[in-house]
Amino acid sequence: GQQVMQIPQYQHVQEGEDFTTYCNSSTTLSNIQWYKQRPGGHPVFLIQLVKSGEVKKQKRLTFQFGEAKKNSSLHITATQTTDVGTYFCAAVYNNNDMRFGAGTRLTVKP
Amino acid sequence: SAVISQKPSRDICQRGTSLTIQCQVDSQVTMMFWYRQQPGQSLTLIATANQGSEATYESGFVIDKFPISRPNLTFSTLTVSNMSPEDSSIYLCSASPGAYTGELFFGEGSRLTVL
Repeated sequence: GQQVMQIPQYQHVQEGEDFTTYCNSSTTLSNIQWYKQRPGGHPVFLIQLVKSGEVKKQKRLTFQFGEAKKNSSLHITATQTTDVGTYFCAAVYNNNDMRFGAGTRLTVKP
Repeated sequence: SAVISQKPSRDICQRGTSLTIQCQVDSQVTMMFWYRQQPGQSLTLIATANQGSEATYESGFVIDKFPISRPNLTFSTLTVSNMSPEDSSIYLCSASPGAYTGELFFGEGSRLTVL
């Protein structure tokens, strides 16, 4: 079946350091979405990327969609303790199938 | 946007019993889904709740075990039937107001523990 690989599984950073999580698909995607889940909370939508090579920014967060529409990344600049949580990509395939990545759990040491 | 209310938020159940989780959306939505999430794990889609017709189940999930209702565009229920400890998990309702593959809004989840 269609799967999306997300790495790393865990990332522990010092506050102020940068953080990046990556998602990769073996097949071309229709679009990709990113969600954040705080500890004990539910997933919250961050952004959707649709176009090849698309780059979107939300304050310290930068989202990229690869030229081949098979991979994506989320980069956080100068992490803060409020960034703690698990970040999931959700890959949407051309048959409307949506698959969540395994998630990257980010912890930030003050 | 959509605000989703789920209940119960948590429950402890005995083996062999069934529990129904309710999901209420504050506005009419096109698509509603039910997910399962083991602690520390990713989200696994159980089924798409179709308004006025039978739910569409993902591989590994069957209607007899997880019957779903969706009587209108704002409400859905998921029943976990004949529970076993393996069913202990967080069950999440989600909705997409727009396109089938658009932004998803999630309820706060129902944490089930089966003894």
